[in-house]
Amino acid sequence: EAQVTQNPRYLITVTGKKLTVTCSQNMNHEYMSWYRQDPGLGLRQIYYSMNVEVTDKGDVPEGYKVSRKEKRNFPLILESPSPNQTSLYFCATSLTGGTEAFFGQGTRLTVV
Amino acid sequence: KQEVTQIPAALSVPEGENLVLNCSFTDSAIYNLQWFRQDPGKGLTSLLLIQSSQREQTSGRLNASLDKSSGRSTLYIAASQPGDSATYLCAVTYSWGKLQFGAGTQVVVTP
Repeated sequence: EAQVTQNPRYLITVTGKKLTVTCSQNMNHEYMSWYRQDPGLGLRQIYYSMNVEVTDKGDVPEGYKVSRKEKRNFPLILESPSPNQTSLYFCATSLTGGTEAFFGQGTRLTVV
Repeated sequence: KQEVTQIPAALSVPEGENLVLNCSFTDSAIYNLQWFRQDPGKGLTSLLLIQSSQREQTSGRLNASLDKSSGRSTLYIAASQPGDSATYLCAVTYSWGKLQFGAGTQVVVTP
């Protein structure tokens, strides 16, 4: 079954404690991307990756890091989380940067 | 910068009525437009993707049109059912790999 898997689904953490949200896909897609969804602001793109070792900034990259060492995985790293990074995060994949996107189930992050 | 607008923000219809959801975008230079469905607390499910060269796409009760020159797309859902209650989002690919989402239309279909 084609899947985009995010972990964890829910996370409460404290300010400044480094964390990683993982994203894994089994569809052999070249393109992966991270979004955050906030009430009143909608979905905004954080980072995206066209292929292994190729990443680029989206609209709201500040405070986040990503890496793409393997095609199937695209982790999102918060080196020093702050309360304004409390949000619902989604990972998405597609065959290329211009084809149908498939989303993970989301990670609800709370930073206190 | 590309801006995507969805009006109305919320919509309530009785079961059986047709749903009409609107999406507008400011820059006609797009690669494609996608419609998604989001259920509360869940991820996004892709409904339809229209390439920039296409005028419409159909899947079952769903039909989406695209008019690039006027910067508009419309999603039609025929004979709505309570199970169609969800938030519907449109997104345009305005640069390779870059998607811009609308804020969504929250739909309630009452039995």
